[in-house]
Amino acid sequence: DGGITQSPKYLFRKEGQNVTLSCEQNLNHDAMYWYRQDPGQGLRLIYYSQIVNDFQKGDIAEGYSVSREKKESFPLTVTSAQKNPTAFYLCASRLGRGSDTQYFGPGTRLTVL
Amino acid sequence: AQTVTQSQPEMSVQEAETVTLSCTYDTSENNYYLFWYKQPPSRQMILVIRQEAYKQQNATENRFSVNFQKAAKSFSLKISDSQLGDTAMYFCAFMKPGWSGGSNYKLTFGKGTLLTVNP
Repeated sequence: DGGITQSPKYLFRKEGQNVTLSCEQNLNHDAMYWYRQDPGQGLRLIYYSQIVNDFQKGDIAEGYSVSREKKESFPLTVTSAQKNPTAFYLCASRLGRGSDTQYFGPGTRLTVL
Repeated sequence: AQTVTQSQPEMSVQEAETVTLSCTYDTSENNYYLFWYKQPPSRQMILVIRQEAYKQQNATENRFSVNFQKAAKSFSLKISDSQLGDTAMYFCAFMKPGWSGGSNYKLTFGKGTLLTVNP
């Protein structure tokens, strides 16, 4: 069954700890994206990757890091430098050149205690 | 930079009735894409409908249709025969086309409209 998976669904961490959110897709999509969603807000772009081994900062990249070593995987690390990390995180993917539509995973709710 | 505005934070409609959600955007681009996404209580983002700005014909998907007014920079979503399963947060989103410099197919979202369908 093709799709985008994110794990875990809920994640709790202590303040000051780094945490990595997983995003995997088996759609053979080239591009992948990470968004953050806060209550009463739309989605804001953190990082995106057009192809393997390449990624660019989005609008709110400070305190986050990513890697894209495999086409299927685009993990997001929330570092201790992120001042307000508690949020809902959504991963998306897009087929590639000529395709404009992004498809989303189910999301991860991160709570920093 | 592009901005997307959804002026209705919350709306409600009776089951089987029709409701229209508003969206306006600001851009200097001539070619672009517009989207409506739905986020039900499960929080899964689901694509509802997509519009290409260079196409004058309004997009439709079953009970969902848009009223795209390019000159007014308006992109409203009409839901006909509302169903309980339509209860969700609805987001309007803008995208510059891939061939436009600095695009990289990034989406700019509005803050959303919470739609409640009442039985």
